[in-house]
Amino acid sequence: GAGVSQSPRYKVAKRGQDVALRCDPISGHVSLFWYQQALGQGPEFLTYFQNEAQLDKSGLPSDRFFAERPEGSVSTLKIQRTQQEDSAVYLCASSTDPTQETQYFGPGTRLLVL
Amino acid sequence: SQQGEEDPQALSIQEGENATMNCSYKTSINNLQWYRQNSGRGLVHLILIRSNEREKHSGRLRVTLDTSKKSSSLLITASRAADTASYFCASATDSWGKLQFGAGTQVVVTP
Repeated sequence: GAGVSQSPRYKVAKRGQDVALRCDPISGHVSLFWYQQALGQGPEFLTYFQNEAQLDKSGLPSDRFFAERPEGSVSTLKIQRTQQEDSAVYLCASSTDPTQETQYFGPGTRLLVL
Repeated sequence: SQQGEEDPQALSIQEGENATMNCSYKTSINNLQWYRQNSGRGLVHLILIRSNEREKHSGRLRVTLDTSKKSSSLLITASRAADTASYFCASATDSWGKLQFGAGTQVVVTP
């Protein structure tokens, strides 16, 4: 089937705006991860879902960041009152279940905050 | 903060040559993985090596792991122009499979 998809692919926001980034994981995948990748850096972990349960949100940089996965499939990462330092690529990845180590990444959403 | 460091930061080679990159990490791991990222794209999983393994092969890829030195290396043999990409190591340290990435090595292979 299709891989992980993310939308939008590009987003330009004015500082202070709220944004919502969507991730459609591979169908049936239990585990879903969000990562943030700054320019020239490796991805950094933000949060992890197992089905609809958010089991780890230790990487969210501030309370302006919020993620949900209400039905255990599609996930949304919301950033409130965006700041320039939020500019990055936001990557979503899924895996079949926690015992399967390989993660399948989406193409990412490139966010630019002006 | 990143879990590991990669060396070199950038590597330029000609087609047919081998490319070697190294990765160091800080804490005990369950496994270590290598990913490739083409410009503007998501990451593609290349190979995984578990903490009780020392070497693994997949096609033109060879990965080694030295847990005593907390380091790993990725060797790409007989490189091709299509291997041009950034390569990241990522360590898995908990039961969820959360990955901690290095900063990456940018590899350019010229024809």
